[in-house]
Amino acid sequence: NAGVTQTPKFRILKIGQSMTLQCAQDMNHNYMYWYRQDPGMGLKLIYYSVGAGITDKGEVPNGYNVSRSTTEDFPLRLELAAPSQTSVYFCASSTITGGLGYTFGSGTRLTVV
Amino acid sequence: AQSVTQPDIHITVSEGASLELRCNYSYGATPYLFWYVQSPGQGLQLLLKYFSGDTLVQGIKGFEAEFKRSQSSFNLRKPSVHWSDAAEYFCAVGVGSGNTGKLIFGQGTTLQVKP
Repeated sequence: NAGVTQTPKFRILKIGQSMTLQCAQDMNHNYMYWYRQDPGMGLKLIYYSVGAGITDKGEVPNGYNVSRSTTEDFPLRLELAAPSQTSVYFCASSTITGGLGYTFGSGTRLTVV
Repeated sequence: AQSVTQPDIHITVSEGASLELRCNYSYGATPYLFWYVQSPGQGLQLLLKYFSGDTLVQGIKGFEAEFKRSQSSFNLRKPSVHWSDAAEYFCAVGVGSGNTGKLIFGQGTTLQVKP
């Protein structure tokens, strides 16, 4: 049972480059989320999805885009990387109630130089 | 606005000593409350959760937490800490209408365990 799988685990980008962070879950969860974690700041919600074809902005969406074409996959796109996007990114999923708690991926550590 | 505050950024306890990590929340309705633990380089793992009912909830790894509505608190406790408990701990509250399942996280508390 893989749970939530994130790729890549590490990445260094140059300013202005683009990349997609991949997230896949095999638990048939309807709800998926992207958070970023910065030291001393906890986790901030970037985007979330309540089902295939439905996405919405979280607390810090600027500079990011998402899509949800299938239940399993929820990729996060960075179009023009900036140093402020240096962070650890976590994908999570949960059941339809959402309140049962998330299953987190192991994270992607992104550095923009 | 909804928020979660963990007043202690860093706590050091001796192995075998008791532990209490504080969490205060601000939320208008009855909250869903969670504690997560994050080991270095890892994702977050759910320790325990409160939805309703008994205000003292038991979790994994010997942790428990008590919901106190009058104090807007959900403090995490463990009677005897093990060296393997050294990690970062996050309190979170479930918010949002229509079962969006969004969580707001506190800033985290780093636990160091002295031998």
